[in-house]
Amino acid sequence: EDQVTQSPEALRLQEGESSSLNCSYTVSGLRGLFWYRQDPGKGPEFLFTLYSAGEEKEKERLKATLTKKESFLHITAPKPEDSATYLCAVRTNYGGATNKLIFGTGTLLAVQP
Amino acid sequence: DVKVTQSSRYLVKRTGEKVFLECVQDMDHENMFWYRQDPGLGLRLIYFSYDVKMKEKGDIPEGYSVSREKKERFSLILESASTNQTSMYLCASSLAAGGSYEQYFGPGTRLTVT
Repeated sequence: EDQVTQSPEALRLQEGESSSLNCSYTVSGLRGLFWYRQDPGKGPEFLFTLYSAGEEKEKERLKATLTKKESFLHITAPKPEDSATYLCAVRTNYGGATNKLIFGTGTLLAVQP
Repeated sequence: DVKVTQSSRYLVKRTGEKVFLECVQDMDHENMFWYRQDPGLGLRLIYFSYDVKMKEKGDIPEGYSVSREKKERFSLILESASTNQTSMYLCASSLAAGGSYEQYFGPGTRLTVT
């Protein structure tokens, strides 16, 4: 069964303290891994798409990387405004419905000033 | 920028009422999706549509139906609302081909069924 697991469930950092969030996946055929940011009470906001092992994408203090079994979202020198829930999702070869995404349950990040 | 809008941010309904949640996207996307999001369970797919008048069940379709009469509009219908349908409902859209297939989400509707 296709599965996406994110860790840790929650992470508290001091401003400027770099860290990484993990997304591990077990899927029959990966056709894209997506990272989203979600603020409380709002819809997820798209950040990155990764397709193949070794690929990296960057946006401001965020950098996403991909291996054959997991993805990391590295946060460098975070600021309080980076506080949010970060969601990971994968797109797989799922029969005819190849545009479905399977989401993890997210990592709640809190950055304290 | 892609814009996905949902008809209500907050909604309170009574058990047994018929509830309509509407979603509109302005990017000419073929695919549209309805999810519900609950603490500890993440996003779960209710229904999706890959073309006008076409729909497919997601992982938790029971108690829900959908309608897509126009490409830009996708409606979620709760035929007879129950308290276990209290949740955050999120609509999303994406391209069907020629893109990276990321889904763009609306702001969500927080539905409370009493």
